[in-house]
Amino acid sequence: DADVTQTPRNRITKTGKRIMLECSQTKGHDRMYWYRQDPGLGLRLIYYSFDVKDINKGEISDGYSVSRQAQAKFSLSLESAIPNQTALYFCATNRAPNEKLFFGSGTQLSVL
Amino acid sequence: AQSVSQHNHHVILSEAASLELGCNYSYGGTVNLFWYVQYPGQHLQLLLKYFSGDPLVKGIKGFEAEFIKSKFSFNLRKPSVQWSDTAEYFCAVFPSGSARQLTFGSGTQLTVLP
Repeated sequence: DADVTQTPRNRITKTGKRIMLECSQTKGHDRMYWYRQDPGLGLRLIYYSFDVKDINKGEISDGYSVSRQAQAKFSLSLESAIPNQTALYFCATNRAPNEKLFFGSGTQLSVL
Repeated sequence: AQSVSQHNHHVILSEAASLELGCNYSYGGTVNLFWYVQYPGQHLQLLLKYFSGDPLVKGIKGFEAEFIKSKFSFNLRKPSVQWSDTAEYFCAVFPSGSARQLTFGSGTQLTVLP
């Protein structure tokens, strides 16, 4: 079983729709992250969380929100999706900020 | 703000050729440095990392990287690439002792021709 599981793997939606991407991890780590990957831009941090009560904005948080439902679960929401949010989204977790990141398999989101 | 530059966006090599991918960062303090690899259709995996000590670090699959502090660089190398090395490679930097998070470069797509 994967250490970091993301659902769904693929999603196509329309502009204006609300979308939730889910992530769960079995590593027992406190730290969880949401990144988006765009060609030529690498990975950019959307939100991160150090524990259930600690949520922080990353460099591109506008248009996104997150919820840390439990230590193992961290979901990303797009309240009203727009086409430039079409991207590959990765959830990740680590034990400490300078430690190896464990990534999920990604969610390819297309907003039409 | 800190930044990470990978100037080579796409590198094409033949099998057995030597590889060097550039990574430069802008941060004046102590840093932890990483190279991640993303094989086609897969998630990112750690290739190697540098925290301190010997500036030449060895990673998995025959990769190595050299930290040159004076040049703010952490270039990735492999003496002889294989077709299976075809992937996207990301450099990442974490400023030690700060509240900042890991910053990734824009990535370099490596294509190895058989």
